[in-house]
Amino acid sequence: AAGVIQSPRHLIKEKRETATLKCYPIPRHDTVYWYQQGPGQDPQFLISFYEKMQSDKGSIPDRFSAQQFSDYHSELNMSSLELGDSALYFCASSLVWGTNTGELFFGEGSRLTVL
Amino acid sequence: GENVEQHPSTLSVQEGDSAVIKCTYSDSASNYFPWYKQELGKRPQLIIDIRSNVGEKKDQRIAVTLNKTAKHFSLHITETQPEDSAVYFCAASKWWGGGSYIPTFGRGTSLIVHP
Repeated sequence: AAGVIQSPRHLIKEKRETATLKCYPIPRHDTVYWYQQGPGQDPQFLISFYEKMQSDKGSIPDRFSAQQFSDYHSELNMSSLELGDSALYFCASSLVWGTNTGELFFGEGSRLTVL
Repeated sequence: GENVEQHPSTLSVQEGDSAVIKCTYSDSASNYFPWYKQELGKRPQLIIDIRSNVGEKKDQRIAVTLNKTAKHFSLHITETQPEDSAVYFCAASKWWGGGSYIPTFGRGTSLIVHP
């Protein structure tokens, strides 16, 4: 079965640089979520999209932005990177409308290291 | 917003013993409580969930209980095996059947099962 695809899996950047992460949700899923997970921490919600519209916003810094495109893939753009942005970034998708399940399907994650 | 507390942060058991992880939540409107298992360096995966209209749910060696009055829910794993070793996250969210919902995660419990 198709899963959530994230790219790149690993990314190394210098401080103040920009990074872009991509996410391809499971086909026909209508909701995409972005989470940030620091070492030994729980996933922190950043932002979500429902049917290509931003639906909820969490603790996403102003330096970060995200969007969902017409083909349902999503991108997380991070600018002016700081050392503290080093983390594992998960994208997840779910089918919300017309279902009775709330399960989030996570991608493998993109590990960002800021030097 | 929702606040989820999870205890213990680390749990060490012998193979064959039972393990119990407890969570409390703050938002009485939360009505969906999933549990995710995350192995080292891998993605979180749903292992069991419970909705607010149910007090207990069981799936083989895993069970979850919910006390809405106390805003408390627990994960029970019986006959633990070394492959159960992982970080377990509880989460709470509001589910209203349409639109997106955002699970708030607990801090996680690192379960170590010794052979």
